[in-house]
Amino acid sequence: EAQVTQNPRYLITVTGKKLTVTCSQNMNHEYMSWYRQDPGLGLRQIYYSMNVEVTDKGDVPEGYKVSRKEKRNFPLILESPSPNQTSLYFCASSLGGSRPSYNEQFFGPGTRLTVL
Amino acid sequence: GQQVMQIPQYQHVQEGEDFTTYCNSSTTLSNIQWYKQRPGGHPVFLIQLVKSGEVKKQKRLTFQFGEAKKNSSLHITATQTTDVGTYFCAALHGSSNTGKLIFGQGTTLQVKP
Repeated sequence: EAQVTQNPRYLITVTGKKLTVTCSQNMNHEYMSWYRQDPGLGLRQIYYSMNVEVTDKGDVPEGYKVSRKEKRNFPLILESPSPNQTSLYFCASSLGGSRPSYNEQFFGPGTRLTVL
Repeated sequence: GQQVMQIPQYQHVQEGEDFTTYCNSSTTLSNIQWYKQRPGGHPVFLIQLVKSGEVKKQKRLTFQFGEAKKNSSLHITATQTTDVGTYFCAALHGSSNTGKLIFGQGTTLQVKP
């Protein structure tokens, strides 16, 4: 089944404790992206990757890191989480190509993160 | 920076009534996509509009892209309880070969049976 998977689905952690949220897709998509969703703010893009070893900042990259060493995986790293990073996080992927934003995005199930 | 404003934020309707959500931008958009997120779920792609004045239909859903490509709307005719959820528009930020996307704030639709 074609899908985007994220782990963990739920995480409660404390300020400053490094964490990684994994994202994997099995559709051979070139483009992958991370979003956070907060009430009243919609989805805001954190980072995106147009292909392996190529990553770029979205609208809200501060406090986050990503890597794209393999096509299928795009982990989101919070080196020192803070309470304002408490949010619902979605990973997404799409075909990519020369006009990546013209393709349908497939979203993962989401990761609900709470930073105390 | 570039923004896409979506209104209304919430809408409560009686089953059978119509519903419309609007997305507006101060700059010309290359394309616009629409997504639906059911309660507790993840966004799911509905449609993409690219051409000026484009109108597309999916059963009871009608999507429009403005002539100036600065606004778009999603209209649902005769809502059903299965239409409940949050509807988002998304647009390209900047040139067409970037991967930066901006989403509207979303419109949450509640349908009373």
